[in-house]
Amino acid sequence: AQRVTQPEKLLSVFKGAPVELKCNYSYSGSPELFWYVQYSRQRLQLLLRHISRESIKGFTADLNKGETSFHLKKPFAQEEDSAMYYCALVRQGGKLIFGQGTELSVKP
Amino acid sequence: KAGVTQTPRYLIKTRGQQVTLSCSPISGHRSVSWYQQTPGQGLQFLFEYFSETQRNKGNFPGRFSGRQFSNSRSEMNVSTLELGDSALYLCASSLVASKETQYFGPGTRLLVL
Repeated sequence: AQRVTQPEKLLSVFKGAPVELKCNYSYSGSPELFWYVQYSRQRLQLLLRHISRESIKGFTADLNKGETSFHLKKPFAQEEDSAMYYCALVRQGGKLIFGQGTELSVKP
Repeated sequence: KAGVTQTPRYLIKTRGQQVTLSCSPISGHRSVSWYQQTPGQGLQFLFEYFSETQRNKGNFPGRFSGRQFSNSRSEMNVSTLELGDSALYLCASSLVASKETQYFGPGTRLLVL
């Protein structure tokens, strides 16, 4: 079965520290993977997608098919990065499957 | 462009009743997807509509249904409400397919008593 796993419910780091939010997936085909973010009192919004290979707000994510992972990384966390982060996978046919989410808390 | 709008924003119903939620996508977007968000289950896909046709469906009972109109606006209906249906219902729109960037609405918070 297709599944997205985010093992950490809460990740707490200090400002300026590196951050890595883990995402593992199980999918037999070629997945399309996304990171969505929800800041406090805001709507869920796309942060980045693996096919774009871009860096948004200093975040990057690399698809590792061997490890079936799509971890989100940022070298220096900022307080404004505090939010809920969701990893998501699109199956062929278009069904979007979300992980349980990781709450990132960046302390001053 | 105006973002995705959902009405109503909050709703309180009792068990056994039915409810209809509405979603207006971003102008020009033809794909509308619905999700249920709960603390225990997280974000779960309900269904996706494109050109007035249901294109994908999640693992929810038949009490959950939806439709899309010619102007791409969508409604979802839940009949015979159960306590476990209490959740935040999110709508998202994209240009053509749900695998593109999805733009989410603010959600409708449904409380079933």
